[in-house]
Parts: sequence; C-alpha cells; structure tokens
Amino acid sequence: DAKTTQPPSMDCAEGRAANLPCNHSTISGNEYVYWYRQIHSQGPQYIIHGLKNNETNEMASLIITEDRKSSTLILPHATLRDTAVYYCIVRVGGGSARQLTFGSGTQLTVLP
Amino acid sequence: GAVVSQHPSWVICKSGTSVKIECRSLDFQATTMFWYRQFPKQSLMLMATSNEGSKATYEQGVEKDKFLINHASLTLSTLTVTSAHPEDSSFYICSARSAGGLTGELFFGEGSRLTVL
Repeated sequence: DAKTTQPPSMDCAEGRAANLPCNHSTISGNEYVYWYRQIHSQGPQYIIHGLKNNETNEMASLIITEDRKSSTLILPHATLRDTAVYYCIVRVGGGSARQLTFGSGTQLTVLP
Repeated sequence: GAVVSQHPSWVICKSGTSVKIECRSLDFQATTMFWYRQFPKQSLMLMATSNEGSKATYEQGVEKDKFLINHASLTLSTLTVTSAHPEDSSFYICSARSAGGLTGELFFGEGSRLTVL
C-alpha cells in the first residue's frame, strides 16, 4: 500500500472549515484514498473514501488532485466534537479484504 | 454505516490470568475481521487477521500462542490474551468488512481497554 504523509497537528476555529491535507505521491491506479478519524479512547470512525473524483457525504468532502498524488479532507463547519486524530490511508479497494495500515495521522483540535 | 461491537469495553485483570475480548458485527456478515492494538499516544498496529472457519494470520512479532483468535461464525471473533502481563495493557480494537461491501471500507468496534495489574 502507498505511504501517506500528514501534518502531525492542526488547529481550527469552531464553525470554520477544517482542511486536512494528505500527500500520497506513490499511489497506484487501483488504490483508493480512505479517511478515518479516532476520537480519544474510541475506535476509528469511517469518514469518506474516493478513487479519483471528489466525494461528499454528510460528514465531509474529499478533494483529490488530478494527478492523485494528494488529497484534502474538508470538514465544512468544524465543531468541538470534531477534535480527533484524522488518518489518511491509501489501499486497494473493491473486493479486497485487506487490512488498513494506520500512520500517525493529524491531530485536529477545534478551538472554541 | 455498519455496526461493530466489542465487549468488554474495559477490563482490569491480575497478572497471569487470561482475558477474552469479543467482537461482533451486528448488522452484517464478516468473513474477515482484523485485530489491532494501540498503546498510549501511538497509532493502531495490526496484530492479526481473523478469518471465519480458519486459522488467524498473525503479524510479525505477535505471539499466536499468547493472543488466541477464534472466528467461529460470520458475526463473531474473539481475542483471548493468555497469561496476561502488565506489558499487555493496551487498547484492543477490532474491525470488520462487510461481505457484501464493494469498495472495501472497514468498520471498527469501540475498542477494549485492558489493564493488567
């Protein structure tokens, strides 16, 4: 699986958009970009994933660059409950049952 | 999304005893479940892959005789920490993929915090 690079920490003001970047310059054509988050002392929570098109759901938007070497997770209106470690993971999707390999992620702190 | 439940959510035991942690997929069938371990201020580390009806596959450095995994049905996998010692104290998390899933997202349990005295 391709390796990802994320900033170790970010702050965001409550109510503002949080933009979390991720670099995955060695991504392969059949690898998806997955985002999970982990609130303190809880299991990871699935947020969103995509292959090459931008994606949006009720939680967030995922913007993937045209060359697919980087992506940005956007939380449009961050709340205090969005404070968590956010993991960007790249791996083969589809019918694969392969595990997710977690890096160190980005600690997002939403400030009041 | 799909629901994965773990039990117990926390357990304290004496050194030398064994502890069993259950992982259940509540609304889907999971042919494969994954067990992770997370130490304080660290990321999740995969311990083993649990396959229904067959032996688990362990990651390098994980003792299979110490961390017994049983995946007897499509909705239940168990992790037993045998002869637990203080260094086994950690946050244990399971995840599962729906057998009918098309794009490979995994769903995680709430985690089980083990403290060995």
